[in-house]
Amino acid sequence: EVQLVESGGGLAQPGGSLRLSCAASGFTFSSYWMSWVRQAPGKGLEWVGIIRQDEVENYHVDSVKGRFTNSRDNAKNSLFLQMNSLRVEDTAVYYCARVVSEYWGDWYFDLWGRGTLVIVSS
Amino acid sequence: QSALTQPASVSGSPGQSITISCTGTSSDIGGYNYVSWYQQHPGQAPKLMIYDVNHRPSGVSNRFSGSKSGNTASLTISGLQAEDEAHYYCSSYTSTSTLGVFGGGTKLTVL
Repeated sequence: EVQLVESGGGLAQPGGSLRLSCAASGFTFSSYWMSWVRQAPGKGLEWVGIIRQDEVENYHVDSVKGRFTNSRDNAKNSLFLQMNSLRVEDTAVYYCARVVSEYWGDWYFDLWGRGTLVIVSS
Repeated sequence: QSALTQPASVSGSPGQSITISCTGTSSDIGGYNYVSWYQQHPGQAPKLMIYDVNHRPSGVSNRFSGSKSGNTASLTISGLQAEDEAHYYCSSYTSTSTLGVFGGGTKLTVL
């Protein structure tokens, strides 16, 4: 079955760290850009980061630059998000998403995981 | 505040057609044909409905269609059904950032 399954969410204190994982199955993971998208409670969607197949291109939204880092392990069909210096405003459901990309900027998400909830609170 | 502007809510009766707008600028919607739309039911992950302005993925009903004029993209749903009740989000590439942007979302209510 083609699917993405996130894990690693939970409760963290402000200033703390969490590492999210996304396990891919049913497709050739190494052939796709991958992305993280988050959704704060009751709010809309927000791009967090996007990473190319070979990790050479790896981008993050301004609000998380310097604090969050995308990475991937193609041998293990896994995507990761290292989250440091967490803030209350990082509280959200974090979705892993497969990116279809034929041209630079022509990015859309054709497969999503069910998400993992991150709560940042003291 | 989201980079792309969507109405907070729209509504329609079963069988009717509705259109959801998504307004941006020449740096995003107006400059590129890289607009996508997502449907999200409560407690579920988003689902791709339209990509590249007006292309439907396999398995998405042909009741869903997309278009663009200038800096505004639109999602039209014809023959409304109860199951269409959900939030809808537009997204676009933007030249002002290395990542894309989403609209704030529109809640569709089927009366």
